[in-house]
Amino acid sequence: AQRVTQPEKLLSVFKGAPVELKCNYSYSGSPELFWYVQYSRQRLQLLLRHISRESIKGFTADLNKGETSFHLKKPFAQEEDSAMYYCALKEYGNKLVFGAGTILRVKS
Amino acid sequence: DVKVTQSSRYLVKRTGEKVFLECVQDMDHENMFWYRQDPGLGLRLIYFSYDVKMKEKGDIPEGYSVSREKKERFSLILESASTNQTSMYLCASGTGANTGELFFGEGSRLTVL
Repeated sequence: AQRVTQPEKLLSVFKGAPVELKCNYSYSGSPELFWYVQYSRQRLQLLLRHISRESIKGFTADLNKGETSFHLKKPFAQEEDSAMYYCALKEYGNKLVFGAGTILRVKS
Repeated sequence: DVKVTQSSRYLVKRTGEKVFLECVQDMDHENMFWYRQDPGLGLRLIYFSYDVKMKEKGDIPEGYSVSREKKERFSLILESASTNQTSMYLCASGTGANTGELFFGEGSRLTVL
């Protein structure tokens, strides 16, 4: 079965420090991966997708097929980055499998 | 701006009651989904629908059913609510282009006593 693993429940960093949210997956095929974010009292929303190879709000994520990883990175954390982050794998169609999520807390 | 609306934000029900959770989207999306969100477990797919009157089981369909009579509306039904169904329920929609971008509602927090 396809799986998405986010090993950290909580990641706490100081403002200005680098951030790396880990995501590993298992998938027998060519994976499509996404990061979703939920800010306090807001809806869950798409942050970025690996196909786009884009940087959103300073975040980037590179698909590493050898390590089956899709870690989310940002060089300098900001307080407004505090949120719940979910890594997701597309199985087929629009069917997504989500990880357990990681809470990012950025301290001032 | 895509809008997915879940009619009930908070519900409290008793064990054995029948519960209806309603979801409406206004962007003519073909695909609709029901997830439950639990701390430490993330989002788990209950049911989804790729078209009107069509439904497929997700990863945890037991104890749930769904209805999609109109394209814009996807209902989740708990025939006989149990305490282990206390959770946050999230509805989502996506286009038929299957981009993997889902648009979520605000969630319905259900407590079963």
